[in-house]
Amino acid sequence: DAKTTQPPSMDCAEGRAANLPCNHSTISGNEYVYWYRQIHSQGPQYIIHGLKNNETNEMASLIITEDRKSSTLILPHATLRDTAVYYCIGVISNFGNEKLTFGTGTRLTIIP
Amino acid sequence: EPEVTQTPSHQVTQMGQEVILRCVPISNHLYFYWYRQILGQKVEFLVSFYNNEISEKSEIFDDQFSVERPDGSNFTLKIRSTKLEDSAMYFCASSRTDRVDRTGELFFGEGSRLTVL
Repeated sequence: DAKTTQPPSMDCAEGRAANLPCNHSTISGNEYVYWYRQIHSQGPQYIIHGLKNNETNEMASLIITEDRKSSTLILPHATLRDTAVYYCIGVISNFGNEKLTFGTGTRLTIIP
Repeated sequence: EPEVTQTPSHQVTQMGQEVILRCVPISNHLYFYWYRQILGQKVEFLVSFYNNEISEKSEIFDDQFSVERPDGSNFTLKIRSTKLEDSAMYFCASSRTDRVDRTGELFFGEGSRLTVL
């Protein structure tokens, strides 16, 4: 699985868009980019994932560069409840052996 | 919305005691996992389980650990003789994996905090 690199921390004003970058320059062609978050000490929560195309769901948008070496998670209107550690993880689909390798992530703080 | 439930939420035990952590995965899920997170550290993979057997395990998952799906709903993690360094939050997760493009979508429980004294 590709090693991912994320900034250790970021702040964002409440109501603004939070843009969280991730570098994954060694990602392989069949490796998906998954984003999870962990609010305080709760269980990690799936946010979104993508392979090549940009993706959007009710929680966030994911922008993947054309060369797939980096991506950005966008929370369009951040709220205080979005304060969490965000993890960018490369996943090669293996039907059950999805051993997610969590890094240290980005600690996002939403400021009132 | 269906969710993964874990019990107990917090367990305190003496070193050397056996501990069983219980999980009820989402009902139509096929793959089950245990992860752990020592306070202040990364979330670490322990083991994955499918079709009543271990699919993969990490080097953390040594002989003192075992997993079982004793009935159609529960998934348990047993730690045979707890050590101080087993103190951590243990997360159970499950997934469906019937679609190759969603196989990394794991649903995690809220965790069981284990404190070994």
